[in-house]
Amino acid sequence: KNEVEQSPQNLTAQEGEFITINCSYSVGISALHWLQQHPGGGIVSLFMLSSGKKKHGRLIATINIQEKHSSLHITASHPRDSAVYICAARGSNYQLIWGAGTKLIIKP
Amino acid sequence: NAGVTQTPKFRILKIGQSMTLQCTQDMNHNYMYWYRQDPGMGLKLIYYSVGAGITDKGEVPNGYNVSRSTTEDFPLRLELAAPSQTSVYFCASRTQGFGNTIYFGEGSWLTVV
Repeated sequence: KNEVEQSPQNLTAQEGEFITINCSYSVGISALHWLQQHPGGGIVSLFMLSSGKKKHGRLIATINIQEKHSSLHITASHPRDSAVYICAARGSNYQLIWGAGTKLIIKP
Repeated sequence: NAGVTQTPKFRILKIGQSMTLQCTQDMNHNYMYWYRQDPGMGLKLIYYSVGAGITDKGEVPNGYNVSRSTTEDFPLRLELAAPSQTSVYFCASRTQGFGNTIYFGEGSWLTVV
């Protein structure tokens, strides 16, 4: 079992739908990152959070430390949101433990 | 700031050749990482560094070497390239300290034929 699990692996939705991507981890963490990788390959950091909730535009990230679970939500989804979304957990050392990614496709 | 800069962006190598992927960051970050990403797969850590002069192996270090003589630069050396090293390589960096954002280079697409 991977230490960081994402679900779903693939998600296809219609434009405008509310999107939820989940990330569960089994290790103690100091922070959790959400990143976005576009089809061209570039990786961009979306959020880094250690507690509570963060919002940036139409993106919302939440984390529940007790349940070892984080979610990334996208409101009013748009085709340009199509990408792979990756969560990564930072433990007590210097390394990040990566989820396998969720491939999101938003159809117009 | 340029952020994290990787070169080259694309390269084709023949089996047995060697090459160096360059990575430079201008944010004075202590921590730097090299990852590889195979098609349809997640990122795998090759090597990382917590500061100049300090490097350590990640999950998949075989066939690679790194050095960190300055804070800014973290080159990745491929010795005796093999087809299994065909991948996309990402360099990343972040500052020391609790929960800081990680910044990625744009990636280097390497094909070994």
